[in-house]
Amino acid sequence: AQSVTQLDSQVPVFEEAPVELRCNYSSSVSVYLFWYVQYPNQGLQLLLKYLSGSTLVKGINGFEAEFNKSQTSFHLRKPSVHISDTAEYFCAVSEGQAGTALIFGKGTTLSVSS
Amino acid sequence: DAGVIQSPRHEVTEMGQEVTLRCKPISGHNSLFWYRQTMMRGLELLIYFNNNVPIDDSGMPEDRFSAKMPNASFSTLKIQPSEPRDSAVYFCASSFRFEQFFGPGTRLTVL
Repeated sequence: AQSVTQLDSQVPVFEEAPVELRCNYSSSVSVYLFWYVQYPNQGLQLLLKYLSGSTLVKGINGFEAEFNKSQTSFHLRKPSVHISDTAEYFCAVSEGQAGTALIFGKGTTLSVSS
Repeated sequence: DAGVIQSPRHEVTEMGQEVTLRCKPISGHNSLFWYRQTMMRGLELLIYFNNNVPIDDSGMPEDRFSAKMPNASFSTLKIQPSEPRDSAVYFCASSFRFEQFFGPGTRLTVL
């Protein structure tokens, strides 16, 4: 069965520092991978997705992620964070056809301070 | 498009009462998902529909929970009777292919 592990539950960083949020998945078949962001008291918003093609995926707000099939990872990165990036970040995987459910990780809380 | 619409945004009720949460998916999307989010358990999939047909309801915690999708533009999640441990934020999401679009959620508090 597929699963998603977000290795860090909390990541505190200072403003303008780089950040990496780690995500590993387990699956025996090809997968589709996603990162979502949840700001306080809001729903989840898609940051970026990997469906096929280039393993380096660029998303909104300056975030990017790299799909590494051999390491079954999909880490999220940003070279310079802002206070406004403070939020909960969720990694998710789907291995089925379109319309199947996503499996979410437990989430990583990114706290950016000045 | 207005996105996924959920109502009510907040619901406070007493234990034993019936609660109905509503969701209007994005027009043209053929899959609809109900999730529950709590601090303890994180984000859990409760049930999802494809073309208005329930596909997987294994995440529904108990028989007190039921969900319907009578047409492509409306779904309900009902809890009867409600219990304090049902307190959570309930999200509805819809999709056309792979990307899921989430609504703002309904924050349910059962006293």
